[in-house]
Amino acid sequence: EDQVTQSPEALRLQEGESSSLNCSYTVSGLRGLFWYRQDPGKGPEFLFTLYSAGEEKEKERLKATLTKKESFLHITAPKPEDSATYLCAVQAWSNYKLTFGKGTLLTVNP
Amino acid sequence: GAVVSQHPSWVICKSGTSVKIECRSLDFQATTMFWYRQFPKQSLMLMATSNEGSKATYEQGVEKDKFLINHASLTLSTLTVTSAHPEDSSFYICSATAAGAENEQFFGPGTRLTVL
Repeated sequence: EDQVTQSPEALRLQEGESSSLNCSYTVSGLRGLFWYRQDPGKGPEFLFTLYSAGEEKEKERLKATLTKKESFLHITAPKPEDSATYLCAVQAWSNYKLTFGKGTLLTVNP
Repeated sequence: GAVVSQHPSWVICKSGTSVKIECRSLDFQATTMFWYRQFPKQSLMLMATSNEGSKATYEQGVEKDKFLINHASLTLSTLTVTSAHPEDSSFYICSATAAGAENEQFFGPGTRLTVL
């Protein structure tokens, strides 16, 4: 069974204080690892897809990296508007289903 | 970009009644749609996968007679919660994929269901 574990559950940062979120996974053949942002009462908003170990992708203050066992979402100099829950999900080669982690609730204080 | 809408955005109903939630792909044809449920501070849990014109495939533990899914066209899927009870109160989210890009799921904004 595919599993995704995200840590920490919650993270509080000061504006400008860089940090990383972790996503550990087990999957029977990784098709892709996905990062989403979810605001309260909203659906997930796509951020990145990573397909193979060593791959990195960047978007504004966010950078996602992937190894064979985990992925990191690095947040550089965060702003209050980066406050949200960040979700990680994996997709196996056997089908197109996504298995989600519980997410990391990020709060960035001004 | 690909846009998925849901209607209604929130609904309150009495216990024992049925509620229908619509999921539409606005600018692409959705060959597959997924329905998820999310309880507070919990992960999105896949309920079922539906392909246009065929019966939905339900995940283990999801009652297919209680959660009726219809995917009658390439732009519309509906989820009907039959005889809803307070424990069905949750955030229901759909996603859709397009032909040739099945690994990319585009999510709707979600529907908050509250059963009194």
